[in-house]
Amino acid sequence: SQELEQSPQSLIVQEGKNLTINCTSSKTLYGLYWYKQKYGEGLIFLMMLQKGGEEKSHEKITAKLDEKKQQSSLHITASQPSHAGIYLCGADIEDKIIFGKGTRLHILP
Amino acid sequence: DAGVTQSPTHLIKTRGQQVTLRCSPKSGHDTVSWYQQALGQGPQFIFQYYEEEERQRGNFPDRFSGHQFPNYSSELNVNALLLGDSALYLCASRYLGLAGRYEQYFGPGTRLTVT
Repeated sequence: SQELEQSPQSLIVQEGKNLTINCTSSKTLYGLYWYKQKYGEGLIFLMMLQKGGEEKSHEKITAKLDEKKQQSSLHITASQPSHAGIYLCGADIEDKIIFGKGTRLHILP
Repeated sequence: DAGVTQSPTHLIKTRGQQVTLRCSPKSGHDTVSWYQQALGQGPQFIFQYYEEEERQRGNFPDRFSGHQFPNYSSELNVNALLLGDSALYLCASRYLGLAGRYEQYFGPGTRLTVT
């Protein structure tokens, strides 16, 4: 079965700094979702990547799927308090999503 | 346009009881999936409904059952509740985007506490 590992598990960043979150898959990714979640709330769709080398941006958040399609990275530029939360990557496996455990992002003012 | 909605927001039940959670997908979305998210974990796939039938199922016991109605809304039922069923239950509906890719949108979730 496919597994996703996210790193780091937790991240504390000074406001205004850039940061990167990684998502590594045990198998080839045919569709990779990135979601953001505030504690105890639902998941907010950020973007979906499908093609190797594909890169997408949403406001100050950029995600890329590597050429071999086994790793994705999510990069936040000039972080703001509103970026705080849990970031989840999910692999699209036959219309269901297999999720990583998430990366908890804290932004220090 | 309302997004995916779920009810109730919070629920407290006792071990052994039964619970029903409800989900309304985004307008135009015909496929609904349910996920269970334990504290500190990523969501786990329970099952998916399309055209009122269960299309696929994750590794959950038969105590977890569901239903989809003609208007695409869905229910998740859990019988004989265990303490370990305490979690955030998320509903997602699927949309075929302009790029020809499916995108899944999630509701706010129902927090179930079993005591």
